[in-house]
Amino acid sequence: RKEVEQDPGPFNVPEGATVAFNCTYSNSASQSFFWYRQDCRKEPKLLMSVYSSGNEDGRFTAQLNRASQYISLLIRDSKLSDSATYLCVVSDSWGKLQFGAGTQVVVTP
Amino acid sequence: DVKVTQSSRYLVKRTGEKVFLECVQDMDHENMFWYRQDPGLGLRLIYFSYDVKMKEKGDIPEGYSVSREKKERFSLILESASTNQTSMYLCASSFRGVTGELFFGEGSRLTVL
Repeated sequence: RKEVEQDPGPFNVPEGATVAFNCTYSNSASQSFFWYRQDCRKEPKLLMSVYSSGNEDGRFTAQLNRASQYISLLIRDSKLSDSATYLCVVSDSWGKLQFGAGTQVVVTP
Repeated sequence: DVKVTQSSRYLVKRTGEKVFLECVQDMDHENMFWYRQDPGLGLRLIYFSYDVKMKEKGDIPEGYSVSREKKERFSLILESASTNQTSMYLCASSFRGVTGELFFGEGSRLTVL
């Protein structure tokens, strides 16, 4: 079983709509959680950290559910430029990062 | 702006060839990493280094070695390339003690024939 699992998608989203997707992790001792964004043929870049209380960064909202061992990302008012693959990243107590395979989001006009 | 530069964007090599992938970062980061990225598998850690001349195996080190002679440079070596090493290779760096925020290079797409 993979340590970090994501629905590969694609999630096809009309421009202006809201999209949300989850990521599950298997290690209950995981300490830190992140979302990265990877554009087609580009390198991954940190989008946001995920805090226990949930956090927002503009149109992006991240939530953590430790009991069920998943994190989520919600994108409001989707823009064409939000089209990308979103990577879920989980860190253990040693700081070692585990990457999910990514969820592809396609925002359509 | 942090810059992580990988020497080659695209390489085509033959089975059995020795392959060098070079990575240079300009932000004085202590930590450097080599990942490979394959469809459906995500990024998998090959090797990492927390200091000059120091290296640690990641999750999939077999068939690879690394060298870190200078703080800013981290090289990945495939001693004898095989077709199953065809992949996208990504170098990353970060400050010591900072988890989560890695700065990646643009990647090196290696094809082994």
